[in-house]
Amino acid sequence: DIQMTQSPSTLSASVGDRVTITCRASQSVSRWLAWYQQKPGRAPKVLIYDVSSLESGVPSRFSGSGSGTEFTLTISSLQPDDFATYYCQQYNSYSYTFGQGTKLEIK
Amino acid sequence: EVQLVESGGGLVQPGGSLRLSCAASGFTFSSYNMNWVRQAPGKGLEWVSDIDNRGSNTNYADSVKGRFTISRDNANNSLYLQMHSLRDEDTALYYCARGPALGFGVVNDAFDIWGQGTMVTVSS
Repeated sequence: DIQMTQSPSTLSASVGDRVTITCRASQSVSRWLAWYQQKPGRAPKVLIYDVSSLESGVPSRFSGSGSGTEFTLTISSLQPDDFATYYCQQYNSYSYTFGQGTKLEIK
Repeated sequence: EVQLVESGGGLVQPGGSLRLSCAASGFTFSSYNMNWVRQAPGKGLEWVSDIDNRGSNTNYADSVKGRFTISRDNANNSLYLQMHSLRDEDTALYYCARGPALGFGVVNDAFDIWGQGTMVTVSS
């Protein structure tokens, strides 16, 4: 199985900050990489699919980049609603795997 | 409205069985692959299983292979997960999630629609 490793595990930031979360795959996942946001007690919500495509309705401050085995999620200017846990996921090959999550906290 | 609603969770003893259901509405269910994803309390997301749009092909995580069976009823827009030989480590919130629209030729896609989850607790 492909292992997905996110860093950092926890990130403290302030409203207005630019933040970046990294996801590394143990082998190439081509462009089949998504980012999800999850808030406590809620189901995950897809933000980015196919590495860099923005899901409909997701604010443009979210962006994704990368290729092969290294990917990033960037939030250009943090808003209060963005404090949540973020997961990357590869859907290139079975078993589909998620990263362990990055909890974005208010500094 | 596009919606997935899970049901069937509950408390079960180790070694027991449980069948989860997911009712889909608001989209052409028979055109989409479907998935089960679980989340243990306080932990991350774990993909469990998927089934193609016709129900012809299934895949499982190693952790559940041989114990869980995914199935679907396209006539009734429903997805199922039959779970046997349940273990403590199967305790989790189980989500159903929509995958690629294989019926429309999409092979790879993120999970764009999720249900609210149904809780399974395995404990004596």
